Amino acid sequence: DAGVTQSPTHLIKTRGQQVTLRCSPKSGHDTVSWYQQALGQGPQFIFQYYEEEERQRGNFPDRFSGHQFPNYSSELNVNALLLGDSALYLCASSLLEGYTFGSGTRLTVV
Amino acid sequence: AQSVTQLGSHVSVSEGALVLLRCNYSSSVPPYLFWYVQYPNQGLQLLLKYTSAATLVKGINGFEAEFKKSETSFHLTKPSAHMSDAAEYFCAVSLSGGYQKVTFGTGTKLQVIP
Repeated sequence: DAGVTQSPTHLIKTRGQQVTLRCSPKSGHDTVSWYQQALGQGPQFIFQYYEEEERQRGNFPDRFSGHQFPNYSSELNVNALLLGDSALYLCASSLLEGYTFGSGTRLTVV
Repeated sequence: AQSVTQLGSHVSVSEGALVLLRCNYSSSVPPYLFWYVQYPNQGLQLLLKYTSAATLVKGINGFEAEFKKSETSFHLTKPSAHMSDAAEYFCAVSLSGGYQKVTFGTGTKLQVIP
């Protein structure tokens, strides 16, 4: 049973560019959440998607947006990249109790 | 709003010694509490979770944690440390299981000395 799959694993972008990160949830999971983990920090909640709608949002600017598809997979989009957006982006899927995390996408903004 | 505080950003123990990682929580309602482990350049793996059933929760790899409401604590322990336990550990809190955001602590890096 495949767990949560994220792509790409690593990415380098230039300041001001836009980026799209992708996540396929664990089989049977219908809820996808995105987290940003800066170096040396705990993960910070960005937003959560359920039934193709953003259900909850953390304290992140509108430059961060997302989407969930009918097959429950999800995308995270970040516009106008800043150096401070460099981080590990984690996707987590869930059904009832507890999250299953993917291995993350390491985004470096130069 | 809920939050967790992890005491000690770095903890060192000798191989075979007791592991104790401290976590205190704050929540306006009975919380769900979690411990996750993260190995370098990897995602988070769930060690154990408290969901208002038994106060002593047993997890994977020999870890356990005890929920103490009077102390608002959820400390993680393991009787005997192995070299493979060296990793970063995160305590986390949520208002529910998978349908609410999870708030993480800042993490404790565990070093195991041979």
